[in-house]
Formats: sequence, structure tokens, C-alpha cells
Amino acid sequence: AQKVTQTQTSISVMEKTTVTMDCVYETQDSSYFLFWYKQTASGEIVFLIRQDSYKKENATVGHYSLNFQKPKSSIGLIITATQIEDSAVYFCAMRDSNTNKVVFGTGTRLQVLP
Amino acid sequence: GPKVLQIPSHQIIDMGQMVTLNCDPVSNHLYFYWYKQILGQQMEFLVNFYNGKVMEKSKLFKDQFSVERPDGSYFTLKIQPTALEDSAVYFCASSTGHSQNTLYFGAGTRLSVL
Repeated sequence: AQKVTQTQTSISVMEKTTVTMDCVYETQDSSYFLFWYKQTASGEIVFLIRQDSYKKENATVGHYSLNFQKPKSSIGLIITATQIEDSAVYFCAMRDSNTNKVVFGTGTRLQVLP
Repeated sequence: GPKVLQIPSHQIIDMGQMVTLNCDPVSNHLYFYWYKQILGQQMEFLVNFYNGKVMEKSKLFKDQFSVERPDGSYFTLKIQPTALEDSAVYFCASSTGHSQNTLYFGAGTRLSVL
């Protein structure tokens, strides 16, 4: 069964610094897809970035990048040059290739301080 | 990004009554989902739906829950009868269907069961 674990419940960083949020996952499948979403203060859930398990290169979108360590079943999210508006809850999620069910972690609350 | 619309944004209902939550998915998407979130906590998978059928459901998808999308109109989640523990924010999501494709979420419907 799929499982996603985010151990960091809350992180605070200063504006313009870099932050890394951890995520580990469990799956029996050899092919799977990993996602990061952001939930804003208004409750909106926004897709940020995706990593396909068969790709060796870490995905990058804007100031978001991933640290994909397949042997460790780890998919960290890195945000560089953080801004106040990056303050939100960040969810890691995954889907196996043989299912359309997407499983989420418990989320990490990020607070970016001025 | 693609927009999923949910109606209403907030629903207050007495315990034991029926409620229907409505979702207008992205127009070319084929897979539809409902997730439940309590107090900003983890996003819990309820059900996914494709080609007029429930494909997968979780233990949270009780017998009182049902989903349908009659004639390509709204994708609905019906709860009959409601219970106090059904109070939560319900998020609808949709995707094109390929397993690597991203889920896009609506803004959620906050259900308050009194």
C-alpha cells in the first residue's frame, strides 16, 4: 500500500533564504509519480511540481526544485529565495502507476518571516 | 492553471439530512476525485470516478456516501444521512486520467453538520 510521511510539522525561515521540506514514501510499485502541493491560507490547493520515478534528473519549476533520492524513497522540496507569500502548508503526494489514487502526507507548515 | 469549481463554498446542515456537494471539473478531464480534510489536517482520499463508475474508494467512503456525474454535468458527492463526523472541507479534483497526470483541485466546500 502507498504511504507518504512528512515528519516536519512546522518550519520557520527568514525571507530570501532557502528551505528544504522532507518527504519519504512507501510503495510496492516500481513506477510511480510524486507531487508537491501548496495549501494557502484561503484553503486553495495549488499544484507546484512533479517527479516521475523513472527520471533521474531532479525536477525544477521556478524557485521550486526537488531532491529525489530513489534508494532512500525520499522526495524533498527545496524552495530558494523564499518570499513572504510562500507561507503555506506544503503537502507531498504520490500515485503508483497501476492506480489513480493519490495519497497525501500530513503536510508541513512553512512560515516565512520578514 | 486549470480550474475546478465547487458549489457551494459553505453548507450548513442538520444531522440526519441529506447534502449534495457539486463539482464542475476541468472540461477535458476524465478522472474525478473527492478528498476530505478536517481542520486543515491531512487530505484523506475518499473516492475516484471514471467513465460513470467508482474506480477506487477508501474506508472513509461510507455506505451513506455516493457519487455520480449524470450526463456530463456536475460531479456530485451525496451524503445521506449526514452525521456529525462528516463535518469537514471536501475537495473535488480532476485529472486527464493518465497516471502521471496531475490532480487539479477546487477551492473546497466546507460542510458543517449540526
